[in-house]
Amino acid sequence: EAGVVQSPRYKIIEKKQPVAFWCNPISGHNTLYWYRQNLGQGPELLIRYENEEAVDDSQLPKDRFSAERLKGVDSTLKIQPAELGDSAVYLCASSFRGYTGELFFGEGSRLTVL
Amino acid sequence: GENVEQHPSTLSVQEGDSAVIKCTYSDSASNYFPWYKQELGKRPQLIIDIRSNVGEKKDQRIAVTLNKTAKHFSLHITETQPEDSAVYFCAAPKGYGQNFVFGPGTRLSVLP
Repeated sequence: EAGVVQSPRYKIIEKKQPVAFWCNPISGHNTLYWYRQNLGQGPELLIRYENEEAVDDSQLPKDRFSAERLKGVDSTLKIQPAELGDSAVYLCASSFRGYTGELFFGEGSRLTVL
Repeated sequence: GENVEQHPSTLSVQEGDSAVIKCTYSDSASNYFPWYKQELGKRPQLIIDIRSNVGEKKDQRIAVTLNKTAKHFSLHITETQPEDSAVYFCAAPKGYGQNFVFGPGTRLSVLP
């Protein structure tokens, strides 16, 4: 069974440019998370989806970040415009809805903003 | 909200020795406590977890102990091996919810 799939794995952009990350969760997982992981730190939640509904986006910088999960499966996280401080690894994770248990992470998308 | 701290931030042990990492949390309603291992450049992966109705759980060389009164839980790795070298993160949910707050991580180095 395929795990959580993310793309691209690496992205280098100039500041003020837009960037988008894509995530395909494990089949059957209703809950999807986007985390940001800065170098040497733990993952920090950006947004959590239950199916297509964003149930917690309190940590998402809404002036430049947006996310969507159409049809409750794949999700896209967008940054526009990117800033130097956005350089980080963006991790997508999924889990069974209503179950406080294991998060299954993707390999992450490493963003470098120059 | 939930605040999760980890100690130590770095830990070096000789191969074969034991390693202990401690995690403290603030939300007394938290009821599930996982430990994730992240090797360099890889995804975090769950290695062991514990729910609040038990005090200890063991899986081969790794174990987790929970003290709900003191609001801390610890990861224990015995007979460490070089492949145990990684960054270990503890996490706790915000109350009964599914939003996990991760600790800052502990970098474990197992020296041959």
